[in-house]
Amino acid sequence: AQSVTQLDSQVPVFEEAPVELRCNYSSSVSVYLFWYVQYPNQGLQLLLKYLSGSTLVKGINGFEAEFNKSQTSFHLRKPSVHISDTAEYFCAVTPWAGGTSYGKLTFGQGTILTVHP
Amino acid sequence: KAGVTQTPRYLIKTRGQQVTLSCSPISGHRSVSWYQQTPGQGLQFLFEYFSETQRNKGNFPGRFSGRQFSNSRSEMNVSTLELGDSALYLCASSLAAVGHQNTEAFFGQGTRLTVV
Repeated sequence: AQSVTQLDSQVPVFEEAPVELRCNYSSSVSVYLFWYVQYPNQGLQLLLKYLSGSTLVKGINGFEAEFNKSQTSFHLRKPSVHISDTAEYFCAVTPWAGGTSYGKLTFGQGTILTVHP
Repeated sequence: KAGVTQTPRYLIKTRGQQVTLSCSPISGHRSVSWYQQTPGQGLQFLFEYFSETQRNKGNFPGRFSGRQFSNSRSEMNVSTLELGDSALYLCASSLAAVGHQNTEAFFGQGTRLTVV
């Protein structure tokens, strides 16, 4: 089984400041990792994903994340945030290659990012 | 290319009633998954369908069921509604199944179910 822990439930930050949203995961098998963003009354939009290869992945809207296998972490970063980045962010994992994991994403509890002017 | 469409967007039901939610995946996608989102429990996996077959199921009671049609559209049904079933129900579609390389899940906007 997999579990995901997002270490901060809320992160307030001022506009143009950098931000890091932290995500740790636990799994006995290799996983793919994802970050999703959810705006109020909306579904989830994929920001970025790590499947394999370079541990630094870049996503949409200037976000990036770094996969650290030894620390089982996948922290999300942005060097300079905008008011429009205010939303809830979810880290998620899924094991490789289906089997009993078909279609199943395991999500963290979410981090609410609030960008203040 | 149209995204994932969920209908209706909002629904109010009374305890004890049943409800059916609909999801139309992105054209060509064969896998449809359903999730329940609540403030207390967060996002929880309900089930996944692929080519009309349920391949995986989360830890929900039998009151929660689903099906997938030959055109990949999916419905989920909740019978004997309880107050605790109030939630945002999200549908996700993908080409194969999340967990296969380069497969990502695209989410709909959700159906907000309120049970009174």
